[in-house]
Order: sequence, then structure tokens, then C-alpha cells
Amino acid sequence: GENVEQHPSTLSVQEGDSAVIKCTYSDSASNYFPWYKQELGKRPQLIIDIRSNVGEKKDQRIAVTLNKTAKHFSLHITETQPEDSAVYFCAVYSGGGADGLTFGKGTHLIIQP
Amino acid sequence: EPEVTQTPSHQVTQMGQEVILRCVPISNHLYFYWYRQILGQKVEFLVSFYNNEISEKSEIFDDQFSVERPDGSNFTLKIRSTKLEDSAMYFCASSHDRGATEAFFGQGTRLTVV
Repeated sequence: GENVEQHPSTLSVQEGDSAVIKCTYSDSASNYFPWYKQELGKRPQLIIDIRSNVGEKKDQRIAVTLNKTAKHFSLHITETQPEDSAVYFCAVYSGGGADGLTFGKGTHLIIQP
Repeated sequence: EPEVTQTPSHQVTQMGQEVILRCVPISNHLYFYWYRQILGQKVEFLVSFYNNEISEKSEIFDDQFSVERPDGSNFTLKIRSTKLEDSAMYFCASSHDRGATEAFFGQGTRLTVV
């Protein structure tokens, strides 16, 4: 099955700086890559996603890049703010007969004031 | 904005008892999912449901689990004979399209088995 690795497990950045979280996946047939933000005790919220026919997608301060050849994708958050503090999960949809998402282990992003 | 809603928010049950977790997916969504998250760990896929039947299930979803869409709005997860290791947050999700694209999650049910 699909294997998703996410790094780092914890990331601490100064407010206003950028944060980058990386994920790698194993199944080259994977074609959908969402990122979820989860605040403590709350539901995972979809913040951005990218499909395999696109290399980069941006939404205000958030961007995702995908390198299909290397099988990795990254979340970029610029001008970080205190409310960006949360756990971020990458996920992968492998297609074929699989309907569920395979999640990474999460990155705890801490924004230092 | 439409939301996936789950009830109850917290369920405490004794080991060996049966529990039913309830979900109301977004109304025009066609694909429904259950995931679980053990405290401090990643979200894990349990099962997907489409057209009134299971379309995929993970290794976690063994014979003690079942899902049902008893009416046009609810989607339930039943756990028979709960075990201590079933303690987790259970999330329901729904999407309009296949492949969990743009899947929206409910707020979760925290299940505690004692």
C-alpha cells in the first residue's frame, strides 16, 4: 500500500518567517495531494490541495509544490502568524481501487512571537 | 458553509459494549468515510461508502466494525464488543467526488473505552 513520510515532526519558526513541510510518497499512481490543518481537539480542515497534473498551487500565504518524479510534495507558509500554529497533515490519494486518503504523521508547527 | 456533523462529541463505554457513532454528511456529497485518530498519532482510514455499500476498507476495519446509511441523511459506524485499543477520535468525512477529493471532516467523536 501507499507509504507517506512527513518531515519534520515539529517545526518552530519566528512570526513573519516562512515554514516548509515536506512529504514523500511511494505509489507513483497517486494523483491527489491535500494538506489538512488540525488545531488542538478540532477537526482536520482542508487548507490546500494539488492534483498530479499541476506542479504548484498558491492560495494567499499558502502554497503547495509537487515533484512527481521525485514523489514528494511540500507545503509552504509565508509570513507566518500566531494562528498558523497547529498540526499539519499531508495526505495522498492513490487512485485505483483505493478510496481513502493515506495521511502522514503530522507536523506540529509552532509560531514563536 | 455546509458542515459534516457528528454525534456524540464524546462517548464513554465499557469494554465489550457496542457503540454507534453517528454522522450527517454534507447533503450533496456522495462518498462517505470513517477515519480514526489515536491520541497524538496520524489520521487512519477505516472505510469508504458509496451507493449504499462499502467501497473500500482498511485492515483496521475488521469484523467488529460495520457501517450503515439507515436513511437519506445519517451515516453510522458501529463497533461491536469494544476493546481498550478502540479508544480514539473517530472522524466522519464526506466528499462529492471519488478519491476523497476535497473531503470535509466532521468535528469527531472521542470514544473512550474503559
